[in-house]
Amino acid sequence: DTAVSQTPKYLVTQMGNDKSIKCEQNLGHDTMYWYKQDSKKFLKIMFSYNNKELIINETVPNRFSPKSPDKAHLNLHINSLELGDSAVYFCASSRQGERNIQYFGAGTRLSVL
Amino acid sequence: SQQGEEDPQALSIQEGENATMNCSYKTSINNLQWYRQNSGRGLVHLILIRSNEREKHSGRLRVTLDTSKKSSSLLITASRAADTASYFCADTSGTYKYIFGTGTRLKVLA
Repeated sequence: DTAVSQTPKYLVTQMGNDKSIKCEQNLGHDTMYWYKQDSKKFLKIMFSYNNKELIINETVPNRFSPKSPDKAHLNLHINSLELGDSAVYFCASSRQGERNIQYFGAGTRLSVL
Repeated sequence: SQQGEEDPQALSIQEGENATMNCSYKTSINNLQWYRQNSGRGLVHLILIRSNEREKHSGRLRVTLDTSKKSSSLLITASRAADTASYFCADTSGTYKYIFGTGTRLKVLA
């Protein structure tokens, strides 16, 4: 059983489109995260949710909107996709009290053409 | 930039040799962690060292922390081809925010 699963694994789309990436964790964790890893492998946090509440929102364009319907899910919706959005997006989760250890999904490779 | 830095950026060694990679960070931390990323995969947690610890071991891994120099090192002993991956350090100051370094790409040649 995959602990943190993201779908889709690959996403190829045209500029200007709107797309969503889904993330689910079955670890019972209460905190979930979205990261962006660029072509140089820099991994930067975008958002963090704790118990469905947004607690970290880095300087991310408002075209990116996370949505957490419940503690086990954190989806990422991106409007008006741009070339610079091409990257690998990782979802992660952690447990209260052990929140320093994060468990990552396999990533979603987004290519904007 | 808040980004930490790993050194070296790339490392190529023979199987059986030891691999050492270093990490520098910029802020005061509660703990520092090392993660491994295999090609095309997510990061996997390896080891966590708290700010009041100086050294920690886990199997073939040894991590040191020098808070006065804001640096940490990861030593992998008796390396194997399966250790080929990118290695990242991440520092956290106790919030939910993690600052990941730029990574060291390790290649272990069989």
